[in-house]
Amino acid sequence: GAVVSQHPSWVICKSGTSVKIECRSLDFQATTMFWYRQFPKQSLMLMATSNEGSKATYEQGVEKDKFLINHASLTLSTLTVTSAHPEDSSFYICSARRGSENTGELFFGEGSRLTVL
Amino acid sequence: GENVEQHPSTLSVQEGDSAVIKCTYSDSASNYFPWYKQELGKRPQLIIDIRSNVGEKKDQRIAVTLNKTAKHFSLHITETQPEDSAVYFCAASKGQAGTALIFGKGTTLSVSS
Repeated sequence: GAVVSQHPSWVICKSGTSVKIECRSLDFQATTMFWYRQFPKQSLMLMATSNEGSKATYEQGVEKDKFLINHASLTLSTLTVTSAHPEDSSFYICSARRGSENTGELFFGEGSRLTVL
Repeated sequence: GENVEQHPSTLSVQEGDSAVIKCTYSDSASNYFPWYKQELGKRPQLIIDIRSNVGEKKDQRIAVTLNKTAKHFSLHITETQPEDSAVYFCAASKGQAGTALIFGKGTTLSVSS
């Protein structure tokens, strides 16, 4: 299957700092990538849809100024958590489909566990 | 938007028994329904999926059924093994390149030997 890679896998930061998470599609081009957040023992909640070369689309309740998404190339999307607070501590997972329409399978990155002290 | 409900939230079975997890969806335009298995701290892994032009799909011990009229789909695991223990998520989407998956809340399956 296709490979989606995320970095870093773990990050610990101080409250008020910013953290950047990278998501790469290693063997295919992804015009669209999706960012999910997963709190302990909960489901994957869609945060935003990242579109190459244009602005991301955020889900209701997700602050676009706090969770900055950049999709500058067909293989890279980044999520920056700005002014992080302890309540932002979570497991962040990116995902992508291959470019063709009606191809359903979504490939996930390894996830990035953020802990804000 | 799409809303996916999943039941039960926890399921405990004896090794060798069958396990069934059920999901309902709200958007009649959804046409792609995958099931993912997630182990603690790891990424979700696709175990089986079904598209709306099919009513049932089977892969060894795993099967999925889809009822488009009722807007529900189910995961069936037969001959369960301890290594099947994990959290299982159903999801739904329109299956097009720019559409995200919406996930159910998950079912924690425990298989005891």
